[in-house]
Amino acid sequence: GAVVSQHPSWVICKSGTSVKIECRSLDFQATTMFWYRQFPKQSLMLMATSNEGSKATYEQGVEKDKFLINHASLTLSTLTVTSAHPEDSSFYICSASPPGVLYNEQFFGPGTRLTVL
Amino acid sequence: QKEVEQNSGPLSVPEGAIASLNCTYSDRGSQSFFWYRQYSGKSPELIMSIYSNGDKEDGRFTAQLNKASQYVSLLIRDSQPSDSATYLCAVPTDKLIFGTGTRLQVFP
Repeated sequence: GAVVSQHPSWVICKSGTSVKIECRSLDFQATTMFWYRQFPKQSLMLMATSNEGSKATYEQGVEKDKFLINHASLTLSTLTVTSAHPEDSSFYICSASPPGVLYNEQFFGPGTRLTVL
Repeated sequence: QKEVEQNSGPLSVPEGAIASLNCTYSDRGSQSFFWYRQYSGKSPELIMSIYSNGDKEDGRFTAQLNKASQYVSLLIRDSQPSDSATYLCAVPTDKLIFGTGTRLQVFP
């Protein structure tokens, strides 16, 4: 159990375009999902907490108008990188905690590698 | 600010040896602790959770928790080259607080 998927696994886009990344919980419902970004050889950085049916909570320094998050159902959260630029090239990873886990273990999706040309 | 600290490594051990990875945390109120493994280019994978003082064993992995010393460790017995990865210590609050990770290299 506790499988989280992401789509696409990688994407290449031109500068100025928008890219949507999907995160799905496959065998559980998730009222909360988390979006992380990781640059090469650096630590995971939490970008935002995605809440089903309400607005996402963004970490300090993350532009909410650039990284749009929609958590429209209990199994799907999307991250849209708007007007992407080369500095947005990174590894984007989502995670979720299944209900019933005692201590909020988070399970991660496989990640989406974004390259902006 | 709640913090989780790890030695960044790399920690190099020969195949078959015991690898010992350490983590300290600042919040005395923390109740649970996680170890994630992250291979290069991949996302983190949960390998151990520990909530009580003492040891918890799962196969070749043993997590050790000492709440009085605010210290949690991960031992990997009979280390294999396939264990070469970055190991992340994490403490849950309303979100996960990660250490910077320790890179483990197991050489044949």
